Amino acid sequence: DGGITQSPKYLFRKEGQNVTLSCEQNLNHDAMYWYRQDPGQGLRLIYYSQIVNDFQKGDIAEGYSVSREKKESFPLTVTSAQKNPTAFYLCASSLRADQETQYFGPGTRLLVL
Amino acid sequence: KQEVTQIPAALSVPEGENLVLNCSFTDSAIYNLQWFRQDPGKGLTSLLLIQSSQREQTSGRLNASLDKSSGRSTLYIAASQPGDSATYLCAVSRSNFGNEKLTFGTGTRLTIIP
Repeated sequence: DGGITQSPKYLFRKEGQNVTLSCEQNLNHDAMYWYRQDPGQGLRLIYYSQIVNDFQKGDIAEGYSVSREKKESFPLTVTSAQKNPTAFYLCASSLRADQETQYFGPGTRLLVL
Repeated sequence: KQEVTQIPAALSVPEGENLVLNCSFTDSAIYNLQWFRQDPGKGLTSLLLIQSSQREQTSGRLNASLDKSSGRSTLYIAASQPGDSATYLCAVSRSNFGNEKLTFGTGTRLTIIP
């Protein structure tokens, strides 16, 4: 099946800990994105990547890091510098970065212990 | 700064009724507008994408319209069904920047009452 997967579904972070959220797609899409969703707010863009080995900061990149070493993978690390990490994280991909429909993964809910 | 508003935040209608969801945006210089559906605890599913040069798009019981000059879009759902219950989000793409510059609304949570 073609699609976009995220793991884990739930993730718990301790104070001062870095955690990494996985995002994989087998759609052969060039562009990938990470969003954060908080209750009562719209999705906000954290990072995006238009092509492998390239990525750009979105609107709320502070406290996060990403890598794009493979076309199909775009992991997001939530660092200890992110003071309010509790949220629902959504990964998406699109065939190209312009004017194309985005396909979303099922999301990862991050909770702080 | 582009702002996208969806009112109401929640809507309940009896099964079988037709309904309209609203989306407004402050900057009319957009590339396209998309409507998404989100089920609780799940990712988003794209429903319709309207290019800035278009006025509407249709898919099955769904029809989305776009009026760029007034900064408004509507999503019309005909003959609503309980399976239509979900949160509906609209998103606009900023002019000349493509998909990496989507601005999302906060969504309308729709409940269809059997």
